Amino acid sequence: GAGVSQSPSNKVTEKGKDVELRCDPISGHTALYWYRQSLGQGLEFLIYFQGNSAPDKSGLPSDRFSAERTGGSVSTLTIQRTQQEDSAVYLCASSKGGDSYEQYFGPGTRLTVT
Amino acid sequence: GNSVTQMEGPVTLSEEAFLTINCTYTATGYPSLFWYVQYPGEGLQLLLKATKADDKGSNKGFEATYRKETTSFHLEKGSVQVSDSAVYFCALSEYNQGGKLIFGQGTELSVKP
Repeated sequence: GAGVSQSPSNKVTEKGKDVELRCDPISGHTALYWYRQSLGQGLEFLIYFQGNSAPDKSGLPSDRFSAERTGGSVSTLTIQRTQQEDSAVYLCASSKGGDSYEQYFGPGTRLTVT
Repeated sequence: GNSVTQMEGPVTLSEEAFLTINCTYTATGYPSLFWYVQYPGEGLQLLLKATKADDKGSNKGFEATYRKETTSFHLEKGSVQVSDSAVYFCALSEYNQGGKLIFGQGTELSVKP
């Protein structure tokens, strides 16, 4: 079946612009995660959605970052007023939920802020 | 807070050599432990996992044992191949935290023929 998909695969934006990154999880997966992979910080957790529960936003680095998940499926990560330090690969993953279930990762969106 | 520490890379080995990548963790509860692998040009994928103390995860000839007494989850393979060249990430998810992963910094492995 289809895996996790993300769009766009690459995004170049000017400093100060807003960007939206999209994630389509595996059908039937109730949990959805966003991570960021950068040279300086490695792989960092950003935000987690589980079903209809309130999201765990504990990893978001600033209030410029937000995410939503509509209808328990597709998710959008929004970065407002982008800064150069936001340049990274943004990864989305989905799972059946819970602590020990495998997370399936998408190919990522490479964001470059100029 | 919870954290994962891996040995620094890059690690360069000859084909058929023995591989160990060290991983230690700090956690307040009872984490599940994972090794993820990222092959060149590909996405992250799960290599193996262990969910409780003394469990051994294994896959594709790789093994790792969950050692609570030493808070470690070292990755081993008896005979590496060129195709094992990749970046390896140790990770934990804390009990009752929804499965969010805390990753180590990654270890790049390069296997030469």
